[in-house]
Amino acid sequence: LAKTTQPISMDSYEGQEVNITCSHNNIATNDYITWYQQFPSQGPRFIIQGYKTKVTNEVASLFIPADRKSSTLSLPRVSLSDTAVYYCLVGDRWSYNTDKLIFGTGTRLQVFP
Amino acid sequence: NAGVTQTPKFQVLKTGQSMTLQCAQDMNHEYMSWYRQDPGMGLRLIHYSVGAGITDQGEVPNGYNVSRSTTEDFPLRLLSAAPSQTSVYFCASSYGAGGHNEQFFGPGTRLTVL
Repeated sequence: LAKTTQPISMDSYEGQEVNITCSHNNIATNDYITWYQQFPSQGPRFIIQGYKTKVTNEVASLFIPADRKSSTLSLPRVSLSDTAVYYCLVGDRWSYNTDKLIFGTGTRLQVFP
Repeated sequence: NAGVTQTPKFQVLKTGQSMTLQCAQDMNHEYMSWYRQDPGMGLRLIHYSVGAGITDQGEVPNGYNVSRSTTEDFPLRLLSAAPSQTSVYFCASSYGAGGHNEQFFGPGTRLTVL
């Protein structure tokens, strides 16, 4: 089962690029990597998902190396509103295993002015 | 679409009282789940359902019951509230189960048990 490991917290300043790395050494062939963002007093929301190489959307980029044992969420030019907790999940489309649905503690990103 | 809705937003209970947290979704999602989040912690899965009439336990099911009589609704019942159940509860739904599917979360219910 693909357990994920992330840094507990990170600090940044407005305008900087932030990279949050998630380790998932036991990722399976059918697993996808998904990142969620949670603001205080709100439920998490989907940010980005990928399988390999690089995925980019209007919010973030996701870099996945060839061995897929880790992934990096990249937030370009962060602002104060990016202060949140970021969760990395690994799971496949067909699995009903509840281990796939465990969010863990995530990475708490604090952006300073 | 209202998405995932939860009621109430806030609730205070006394130890031993019972209550039901309501969750509904209007996206025709098969999969629904309940999480709890304690201060400074991540989300822990309580119960989940892969379709009407089917439920199963997550990481921390003790003290909670669920049922799924319709696709839209997935209520969470606390039979005898305890202070350890003080937490924020989130309901989520997705098209299917598994980590691949995007999960949509409700706004949460903040529960305090005295």
